[in-house]
Amino acid sequence: GAVVSQHPSRVICKSGTSVKIECRSLDFQATTMFWYRQFPKKSLMLMATSNEGSKATYEQGVEKDKFLINHASLTLSTLTVTSAHPEDSSFYICSARRGGGPRTYEQYFGPGTRLTVT
Amino acid sequence: GESVGLHLPTLSVQEGDNSIINCAYSNSASDYFIWYKQESGKGPQFIIDIRSNMDKRQGQRVTVLLNKTVKHLSLQIAATQPGDSAVYFCAELGYGGSQGNLIFGKGTKLSVKP
Repeated sequence: GAVVSQHPSRVICKSGTSVKIECRSLDFQATTMFWYRQFPKKSLMLMATSNEGSKATYEQGVEKDKFLINHASLTLSTLTVTSAHPEDSSFYICSARRGGGPRTYEQYFGPGTRLTVT
Repeated sequence: GESVGLHLPTLSVQEGDNSIINCAYSNSASDYFIWYKQESGKGPQFIIDIRSNMDKRQGQRVTVLLNKTVKHLSLQIAATQPGDSAVYFCAELGYGGSQGNLIFGKGTKLSVKP
């Protein structure tokens, strides 16, 4: 159990277009989902925390108008990179946490989405 | 501020040897730590966790040690295998403004030589 999927796994888009990445918890309900960004040979950087039915909380330095997050259901969160530029090229990873409050520890990661902006 | 870091960015070991990956953290109030394994092009995979009321926890071929006095965490892998080659991250469950969020260390790349 506790499987998290992401779609697509890889995407190439042209500069100026928008790209949507989906994160799904397949066998549990996730009240909270997290979006991370990872550059090559670097650690995961938290971008935002999204709670079902409410606005996402963005980390300092992350543009909320550029990285739109929607958590419309307990099993789906989406990240839309708007007006993508080559510097947005990165590996985007989501994770999902079961219900139970912020000190509920179990957090399950998706396989990641490789975004390349040309 | 809160930070989690690693002493060694790369580690190369011979197959069958034991591996030790280290991590330092700065927030003495942190009470939960996790080790993740990340293979190339994949998401992090949970290995083992430990709470601050423990100083040692063992899993299958892995042991995590926590030294709260010096705010140090280590992951020991016994009889390292080629399949253990990956990047290993320690993560700390944030407190205060980051409550509920994981704070990742920089990562150590483990290479296992056959």
